[in-house]
Amino acid sequence: AQSVTQLGSHVSVSEGALVLLRCNYSSSVPPYLFWYVQYPNQGLQLLLKYTSAATLVKGINGFEAEFKKSETSFHLTKPSAHMSDAAEYFCAVSSRTSNTGKLIFGQGTTLQVKP
Amino acid sequence: NAGVTQTPKFQVLKTGQSMTLQCAQDMNHEYMSWYRQDPGMGLRLIHYSVGAGITDQGEVPNGYNVSRSTTEDFPLRLLSAAPSQTSVYFCASSRTGHNQPQHFGDGTRLSIL
Repeated sequence: AQSVTQLGSHVSVSEGALVLLRCNYSSSVPPYLFWYVQYPNQGLQLLLKYTSAATLVKGINGFEAEFKKSETSFHLTKPSAHMSDAAEYFCAVSSRTSNTGKLIFGQGTTLQVKP
Repeated sequence: NAGVTQTPKFQVLKTGQSMTLQCAQDMNHEYMSWYRQDPGMGLRLIHYSVGAGITDQGEVPNGYNVSRSTTEDFPLRLLSAAPSQTSVYFCASSRTGHNQPQHFGDGTRLSIL
């Protein structure tokens, strides 16, 4: 069975600092991988997705993530945090062997950006 | 485009009451799903549908029913509400395929007393 683990339920960084949000997956076959962001009282928005092309994926708002098969990881990074990046971030996986499109989500990481 | 529209945005129910959460999408997406979001647990899949007339259970289906009579609509029914169903509910849709991003509604915040 697939699963997703996000290390750290809360991450706090200073404005201008590097953002690193960690995601590890468990799957017998490397899955499709997604990062979503949720701003307060809103639904989830897609930041980026990995579907087996380049292992370094660039998303919106300056975020990127790197797929590392050997580490079963898909960590999200941004070189310089902005106050507007404060939100909850979710990593999710979708199976390559099933065409149902079901997503399995991690527990979420709340990003706090301090001035 | 409106995208994915959920109604109502907020609802308070008493234990044992029934209600239907509405979800509609105008993108002609085949795949639709319902999730619940609880603190520290991420989003958990309740039910999903890969097309009109086809539904299946997700991770936490107990206490919920769904049907899919049209491509556009995918209502979620609580037959007898319980306090454990207090949560934020999200509907999502996507084109078919396991690598298609899902589009989410803004959620329904449901409290059951």
